[in-house]
Amino acid sequence: AQSVTQLGSHVSVSEGALVLLRCNYSSSVPPYLFWYVQYPNQGLQLLLKYTTGATLVKGINGFEAEFKKSETSFHLTKPSAHMSDAAEYFCAVSGIGDMRFGAGTRLTVKP
Amino acid sequence: DAMVIQNPRYQVTQFGKPVTLSCSQTLNHNVMYWYQQKSSQAPKLLFHYYDKDFNNEADTPDNFQSRRPNTSFCFLDIRSPGLGDAAMYLCATSRPGPGLAGLPHTDTQYFGPGTRLTVL
Repeated sequence: AQSVTQLGSHVSVSEGALVLLRCNYSSSVPPYLFWYVQYPNQGLQLLLKYTTGATLVKGINGFEAEFKKSETSFHLTKPSAHMSDAAEYFCAVSGIGDMRFGAGTRLTVKP
Repeated sequence: DAMVIQNPRYQVTQFGKPVTLSCSQTLNHNVMYWYQQKSSQAPKLLFHYYDKDFNNEADTPDNFQSRRPNTSFCFLDIRSPGLGDAAMYLCATSRPGPGLAGLPHTDTQYFGPGTRLTVL
């Protein structure tokens, strides 16, 4: 069975500041890990994913995440926040047969 | 562009009046999913199809049914909507991943824009 925990349901940053959204996972098999973004009244869009290989994964819109097996973490970062980054972010883990989503983190970007 | 399309984007129905939501895909993916998402919550999987094989989540109410007449289309039927069924309904598709121990490893899911259901 797989699960993810997102630490912090709301994160607020200033424009230009570092974005850090935290995700810890639990999985009984080597996991695939994902970050999705959701804008209001839209579906989820893939930001990036980790399957195997390089543990630092780069995604769209300047986001990246690092898979740390020893810490069971897959935190999402972006060096400089933009107003357009304001959205809901979901971490997800998949193993055999299904995908489990975290509860989501709402990112607010202040001017 | 290959994509996942959901119709309608907004659906209003009355308490107890059956409603059908539709999803189509041009990605030719084997797997299609229906999720229910309530405000400020994670998507909750209702069921999924692996080709024609239907897989129901254990806690999906009997009020929810699904049909997949072909690879491209999938429908969600809500037989008697209650006020608690008001939500965003998301359709997603994926290919099976490379697999672990001979079993499919769920890979990237591609989502449609969703249908927001209002129950009056």
